[in-house]
Amino acid sequence: EVQLVESGGGVVQPGGSLRLSCAASGFAFSSHAMHWVRQAPGKGLEWVSGITGDGGITDHAASMKGRFTISRDNFKNTLYLQMNSLRVEDTAVYYCARRQVGPTGAYETWGQGTMVTVSS
Amino acid sequence: EIVLTQSPGTLSLSPGERATLSCRASQSVSSNYLGWYQQKPGQAPRLLIYGVSKRATGIPDRFSGSGSGTDFTLTISRLEPEDFAVYYCQRYDGSFTFGQGTKLEIK
Repeated sequence: EVQLVESGGGVVQPGGSLRLSCAASGFAFSSHAMHWVRQAPGKGLEWVSGITGDGGITDHAASMKGRFTISRDNFKNTLYLQMNSLRVEDTAVYYCARRQVGPTGAYETWGQGTMVTVSS
Repeated sequence: EIVLTQSPGTLSLSPGERATLSCRASQSVSSNYLGWYQQKPGQAPRLLIYGVSKRATGIPDRFSGSGSGTDFTLTISRLEPEDFAVYYCQRYDGSFTFGQGTKLEIK
């Protein structure tokens, strides 16, 4: 069974850091690009960042560049999101998502999400 | 900035009726890389449609997608009780923008 399980969320003060993890199972992890998407309470979906299957290419939303870093460990079948200089507006549920195989693809599998709360 | 605008914001219909949801892009979507997702309260989104009109695995055929360029539509031919949810369109052609969502509620 294809599964994505996020962890690492919690409560952090403004300016703090967190590292989210997404453990993948049931598929060839390195064959898929992986992304992070977030959803603030009561709001819509917002793309955060993405990484190719081999980890060679990454991209981040403009508001997160320089603060967030996506990475992956294909030996551990795990995706990461290092979040630094966190702001109150970063409060959200963070989902990891698996893209369809190919040069580009939609998000065919999602994790259940992990909540990040930035508050003093 | 590339924007996807969904309309209406809220759609009130009854089971058995037909639902038509719209998604308009500020710039043309390359190679039809446009998808639709369904999200129910407390759950992760679920892929319904990719490539404008292809149904994802396990998605019933009452869901269909159409459109090209900048104008796209998700149609639910005959609403079932479990279809009432929020729907998002997304482009994934290098820009990964989501629309703001359409809430489909029971009338």
